[in-house]
Amino acid sequence: ELKVEQNPLFLSMQEGKKNYTIYCNYSTTSDRLYWYRQDPGKSLESLFVLLSNGAVKQEGRLMASLDTKARLSTLHITAAVHDLSATYFCAVGLYSGGGADGLTFGKGTHLIIQP
Amino acid sequence: SQTIHQWPATLVQPVGSPLSLECTVEGTSNPNLYWYRQAAGRGLQLLFYSVGIGQISSEVPQNLSASRPQDRQFILSSKKLLLSDSGFYLCAWSKTGVRGYTFGSGTRLTVV
Repeated sequence: ELKVEQNPLFLSMQEGKKNYTIYCNYSTTSDRLYWYRQDPGKSLESLFVLLSNGAVKQEGRLMASLDTKARLSTLHITAAVHDLSATYFCAVGLYSGGGADGLTFGKGTHLIIQP
Repeated sequence: SQTIHQWPATLVQPVGSPLSLECTVEGTSNPNLYWYRQAAGRGLQLLFYSVGIGQISSEVPQNLSASRPQDRQFILSSKKLLLSDSGFYLCAWSKTGVRGYTFGSGTRLTVV
């Protein structure tokens, strides 16, 4: 059974003060790792899709990386600003027979950035 | 471009009543379709997925069922709702060989 663990589950910080990292560990070999953002009461917004070992992607103050050998992905937040406040999920995909590829999600990291 | 529609956006239903949530995708053919549920304060759980018309795979035994009567239509149903069925239901689609998923806007179901 694939397990996906995120930590921390809760992160509170002040704007611009420091850099922070969210960790995502998964239990079974996979070559597809996804990061999503969810605002309160809203659906999921795709942030990054990581498909190979060593992949690194950056968008604004967010940077995601993937180490498939360690089964670890990180989401790094640089000098956070208030509009990054949200819940961030990582998710791992495994091929099932027939081509559909359901995702297994971590529990999410609730990020609060205070002005 | 492809779009995914989910309705209704919110629903309040009494225990024991039936349920039907609908999801449709536009702008693509033969998508893989998914239903996820997010219970309050919890992560997302895959409920059902479908690779084609009439083909449904269930991930978690529960009080729900899914159907795919048309290529781009995915329906989540229940004959009798339980309190534990409350949650945020999300439909999603993907294409085999294209490694991305797109989620619908979700339905917030409250069973009272």
